[in-house]
Amino acid sequence: SYVLTQPPSVSVAPGKTASITCGGNNIGSESVHWYQQKPGQAPVLVIFYDSDRPSGIPERFSGSNSGNTATLTISRVEAGDEADYYCHVWDSGSNHVMFGGGTKLTVL
Amino acid sequence: EVQLVESGGGLVKPGGSLRISCAASGFSFSRYNMNWVRQAPGKGLEWVSFTSTGSSYIYYADSVKGRFTISRDNAKNSLFLQMNSLRAEDTAVYYCARGGATNRDGFDFWGQGTMVTVSS
Repeated sequence: SYVLTQPPSVSVAPGKTASITCGGNNIGSESVHWYQQKPGQAPVLVIFYDSDRPSGIPERFSGSNSGNTATLTISRVEAGDEADYYCHVWDSGSNHVMFGGGTKLTVL
Repeated sequence: EVQLVESGGGLVKPGGSLRISCAASGFSFSRYNMNWVRQAPGKGLEWVSFTSTGSSYIYYADSVKGRFTISRDNAKNSLFLQMNSLRAEDTAVYYCARGGATNRDGFDFWGQGTMVTVSS
């Protein structure tokens, strides 16, 4: 089945830009969604279809997808952005939803 | 306001069964694909099962296929997961999550989850 690879952790200083990657074979041809999950809470959709933002999600959150890597970018990072982030793809070959292993974003 | 409220979790012995539910409100439930996603303590998200709007298309993760059954009652705006032959590794918070009109859509609303613990 399709495998999505995320770095376990990313650290960034407040006000800087964080980039969280999601690697997969030719992932650029897939639709990628991103979720933010804070401790003890349910996941929240922050990016859908590679680069679209749901209403209520700050413009600081953006996404891109090309080749073998999709990227979630968080600009002007705030302390409140500290969370786990997961990418999501529908694998049509297996009819399975695949999640990446998750990336813990730490704001220094 | 869209709401998804899971219920029915609890402690069950290995080999036992449990049925969890998700009550939906604030949207036209019958128009949306629905999913179950679980998260073991301290671990990442794991997709469990998908059902299309009219239950014509149903899919399962390999780890639960043959043991779990997803179903929905559109008249009662409810989603269910029947879990049989439970194992310790099924211990997790189980979330119901709203999909879209296609199976490629993201999950735009999630419930708060119900905890299932499989232990003797």
